[in-house]
Amino acid sequence: NAGVTQTPKFRILKIGQSMTLQCAQDMNHNYMYWYRQDPGMGLKLIYYSVGAGITDKGEVPNGYNVSRSTTEDFPLRLELAAPSQTSVYFCASEKGTMNTEAFFGQGTRLTVV
Amino acid sequence: DAKTTQPPSMDCAEGRAANLPCNHSTISGNEYVYWYRQIHSQGPQYIIHGLKNNETNEMASLIITEDRKSSTLILPHATLRDTAVYYCIVRVRDSNYQLIWGAGTKLIIKP
Repeated sequence: NAGVTQTPKFRILKIGQSMTLQCAQDMNHNYMYWYRQDPGMGLKLIYYSVGAGITDKGEVPNGYNVSRSTTEDFPLRLELAAPSQTSVYFCASEKGTMNTEAFFGQGTRLTVV
Repeated sequence: DAKTTQPPSMDCAEGRAANLPCNHSTISGNEYVYWYRQIHSQGPQYIIHGLKNNETNEMASLIITEDRKSSTLILPHATLRDTAVYYCIVRVRDSNYQLIWGAGTKLIIKP
């Protein structure tokens, strides 16, 4: 049982490049989330999904896109990378929203130069 | 904005109980209090959550005041591996039940 798997663990991008951060969970959870965490701060929600085919914006969605074609996968797309997107990105999943716990991946550390 | 207030840092001696306070004075009746921790920039780890009653699991105990305006996370016998940032979160109904994260409390366990 792998839980939530994120790839890659580290990445350096040049300004203007694009990339996709991968996230997969094997717990058959309906809810999935993408967060970013800047140094010394708490997590900020980028996008979330309540099930396959359904996504919605979180607190800081600008510069990102997501899709959810399957229950298991929830990739995050960065278009035209900017230095402000340098951060650690965490993917999470959970069964529901109340009275449930979220499981987190180990993160992707992204640097845009 | 986070609906909770936590001290930025705390120390605790190894083997003693670590008591982490959290204020959530605007909590609504159907909103849960959650605790997560993050060890050295790893992915956050769930600890415990509760609504009204005190809760205990293999990791910790959660004590919620009767008026629900504050709570305390108790790690009964802290070890060096409990050094982490601890986040107290109220699950906010008007934000579609999303977890709104504050800056947390940096807990340092000292030998």
